[in-house]
Amino acid sequence: GAGVSQSPSNKVTEKGKDVELRCDPISGHTALYWYRQSLGQGLEFLIYFQGNSAPDKSGLPSDRFSAERTGGSVSTLTIQRTQQEDSAVYLCASSLEGFADTQYFGPGTRLTVL
Amino acid sequence: AQSVTQPDIHITVSEGASLELRCNYSYGATPYLFWYVQSPGQGLQLLLKYFSGDTLVQGIKGFEAEFKRSQSSFNLRKPSVHWSDAAEYFCAVVLNTGNQFYFGTGTSLTVIP
Repeated sequence: GAGVSQSPSNKVTEKGKDVELRCDPISGHTALYWYRQSLGQGLEFLIYFQGNSAPDKSGLPSDRFSAERTGGSVSTLTIQRTQQEDSAVYLCASSLEGFADTQYFGPGTRLTVL
Repeated sequence: AQSVTQPDIHITVSEGASLELRCNYSYGATPYLFWYVQSPGQGLQLLLKYFSGDTLVQGIKGFEAEFKRSQSSFNLRKPSVHWSDAAEYFCAVVLNTGNQFYFGTGTSLTVIP
């Protein structure tokens, strides 16, 4: 079956611009996660959606970052007024129910802020 | 501070040799423990996970990991490495209170013929 998909695969933007990254989770998965992978930094948890509950935003690095999940499915991560330090690969994952389940990762969106 | 440590940034092994990748965590309670692999050009894939019970867990691709509470470790092992195992390996923990995910910085594995 289809896995987690993300778009775009690559995004180049200028400093100060806003960007939107999209994630389509596996159908039927109620949990969705966003991570950021920077060179030499490993994976950084950003935000977690579980069903219709309010998301856990504790990992968002600043108030320029926001995310929403519409209809319990597709999610959009928005970065406002991008900075060069936002350059990274943004990974989305989904799991059947919750954090204890296996997470299936998408291929990521590589964001470059010039 | 809570953390996950993978002390080996890069490891090189010969094909057919055994492998052990180290992972240590610092949390008050036993978290849920995972190992993921990221192959070049591929997404992250779960190798194995530990929640409770038998402290030696078997995963895919011939990998296993052992949870040692006294050492706060969850090391990944494979008895005989294949060239296709060359990849980046990440240890991860989830606090069983929920909503707290932490990944290590990863260990890059090179396999030489």
